[in-house]
Amino acid sequence: GENVEQHPSTLSVQEGDSAVIKCTYSDSASNYFPWYKQELGKGPQLIIDIRSNVGEKKDQRIAVTLNKTAKHFSLHITETQPEDSAVYFCAASIGYALNFGKGTSLLVTP
Amino acid sequence: DTAVSQTPKYLVTQMGNDKSIKCEQNLGHDTMYWYKQDSKKFLKIMFSYNNKELIINETVPNRFSPKSPDKAHLNLHINSLELGDSAVYFCASSQDVEGTYNEQFFGPGTRLTVL
Repeated sequence: GENVEQHPSTLSVQEGDSAVIKCTYSDSASNYFPWYKQELGKGPQLIIDIRSNVGEKKDQRIAVTLNKTAKHFSLHITETQPEDSAVYFCAASIGYALNFGKGTSLLVTP
Repeated sequence: DTAVSQTPKYLVTQMGNDKSIKCEQNLGHDTMYWYKQDSKKFLKIMFSYNNKELIINETVPNRFSPKSPDKAHLNLHINSLELGDSAVYFCASSQDVEGTYNEQFFGPGTRLTVL
């Protein structure tokens, strides 16, 4: 089955700096790559996603890049704010199921 | 309006008991899921139903039985609860067809604690 690796497991940045989280996947048939943000005590919320026919996508301070050849994708958050502090999950999908990475706990300090 | 709702939010019970968690979505989606998040925050798919039919059944003990009375509801029944079942269980839904993109909306979770 699909195996998704996510790094780093924890990330601490100062407010205003950028944060980058990287994921790799094993199954070349995966065609959908969402990123979820999970705040304490809440369910995961989709923040951005990318399809396999696109190399990069941006939404305000958040961007995702996909390298299908290397089978890796990354989340970039610019101008980080304290409210960006949360656990971020990458996932890869073929069809229905999402296969999640193990999460990155991001802390943005003022 | 709540898109995906789960009840209860917290569930504390003794080993050996049987319990159910309910999930409802008002998004008109055809597919619903159950995920388990363990103490290390790892999220893993358990089941998926599309139009009331089981389409994903990962390696989950037979003590776990999903039930979908209609496409807006997917309930999870757990028999003979064990300590290792303690986790947060998330329901999710999506409007998709296999092979297309799979944006899933998650509920708030049910924290199950087995004593």
